[in-house]
Amino acid sequence: AQKITQTQPGMFVQEKEAVTLDCTYDTSDPSYGLFWYKQPSSGEMIFLIYQGSYDQQNATEGRYSLNFQKARKSANLVISASQLGDSAMYFCAMRTQAGTALIFGKGTTLSVSS
Amino acid sequence: GAGVSQSPSNKVTEKGKDVELRCDPISGHTALYWYRQSLGQGLEFLIYFQGNSAPDKSGLPSDRFSAERTGGSVSTLTIQRTQQEDSAVYLCASSLQWGVSYNEQFFGPGTRLTVL
Repeated sequence: AQKITQTQPGMFVQEKEAVTLDCTYDTSDPSYGLFWYKQPSSGEMIFLIYQGSYDQQNATEGRYSLNFQKARKSANLVISASQLGDSAMYFCAMRTQAGTALIFGKGTTLSVSS
Repeated sequence: GAGVSQSPSNKVTEKGKDVELRCDPISGHTALYWYRQSLGQGLEFLIYFQGNSAPDKSGLPSDRFSAERTGGSVSTLTIQRTQQEDSAVYLCASSLQWGVSYNEQFFGPGTRLTVL
């Protein structure tokens, strides 16, 4: 069965510190994509970063990077130099070659304090 | 260009009534998805449309839920005889195509449904 697991319901970090949000996945499909979305309190889903299963390098997008460990089936999001505006819910999601819709984890609430 | 839009933004209804939720995808996007997000939870897939193909309805929780997509563009999600457990935010997303893993889905702002 395809599944995304986010084990951290909440994370707390101070401004300018780095934080890692955990995500593990389960699929038997060799071709898949992993996504991270941010959902602020306003409710919209904001795409952050994507990692393909065949990508050789870890994805990076500005302050976001994805620590992709294929053998361990983990795709952790690293946010460097946290900002107050990073406070939000973060969702890890997966889409396989055979699938259609995204499969989401339950999310991690990140709180950044000054 | 315009993003995915949804209407209404909020809907309060009484148990047993029918509701219709509308989604306008990004122009040119052939794939359209409906998800449901219950309070404090992740997103749950409901239904998926791709071009003129038959929709994937595998995520619909009961036969009270249905959706259509007219002309390959606008979609309407209908919930008949609403129940209190239907209260959630209903999110629509669209993307250019399916069949490849990388396929960013752009989400609308959602419709918050409250069933009294």
